[in-house]
Amino acid sequence: GQQVMQIPQYQHVQEGEDFTTYCNSSTTLSNIQWYKQRPGGHPVFLIQLVKSGEVKKQKRLTFQFGEAKKNSSLHITATQTTDVGTYFCAGRAAGNKLTFGGGTRVLVKP
Amino acid sequence: DSGVTQTPKHLITATGQRVTLRCSPRSGDLSVYWYQQSLDQGLQFLIQYYNGEERAKGNILERFSAQQFPDLHSELNLSSLELGDSALYFCASSPRTGSNQPQHFGDGTRLSIL
Repeated sequence: GQQVMQIPQYQHVQEGEDFTTYCNSSTTLSNIQWYKQRPGGHPVFLIQLVKSGEVKKQKRLTFQFGEAKKNSSLHITATQTTDVGTYFCAGRAAGNKLTFGGGTRVLVKP
Repeated sequence: DSGVTQTPKHLITATGQRVTLRCSPRSGDLSVYWYQQSLDQGLQFLIQYYNGEERAKGNILERFSAQQFPDLHSELNLSSLELGDSALYFCASSPRTGSNQPQHFGDGTRLSIL
């Protein structure tokens, strides 16, 4: 069945530095969504990418959908303590349900 | 506040027991999804309902069942509980079915099996 994998599983970042987390699917996706879950909270929808090669920005967050629509990335610049949490990608292949990746847990060192 | 309401927030029970988790979706949302999140784990999709009918099934155990009522609220029933069922159970809703719908999550029900 469809699998969505995220790397790294854990990301320790120094405050002010940049980092990237990656999402890879075993099948071509119709679209991909990203969610953020703060510690003790619930997942919150961030963004959706639909087109091949699409790039979207939200302030310091840049989301990209791969040309083959099988991978995606989230790049955060100038990391802040408010960026702490787990970032999940979720993708759906045609005819299948939305599948969440295992998440990247981001810890920020002040 | 996502608009999705889950009750109870916490539930402590013993092995072999049965519990019911409740979810009220956002106003106007017809789709309800249930997820299980074990400690430091990802989101495991359990089941989806759309306008009262089962739409998709994930890794849901036979001991678990769900339904969506005419007023669109949903209940997840967990029976013959085992220690491994201890987890955070999330409900999410979206306006319609389909993968292009963002899902809005409730605060979850934390289930602890003693």
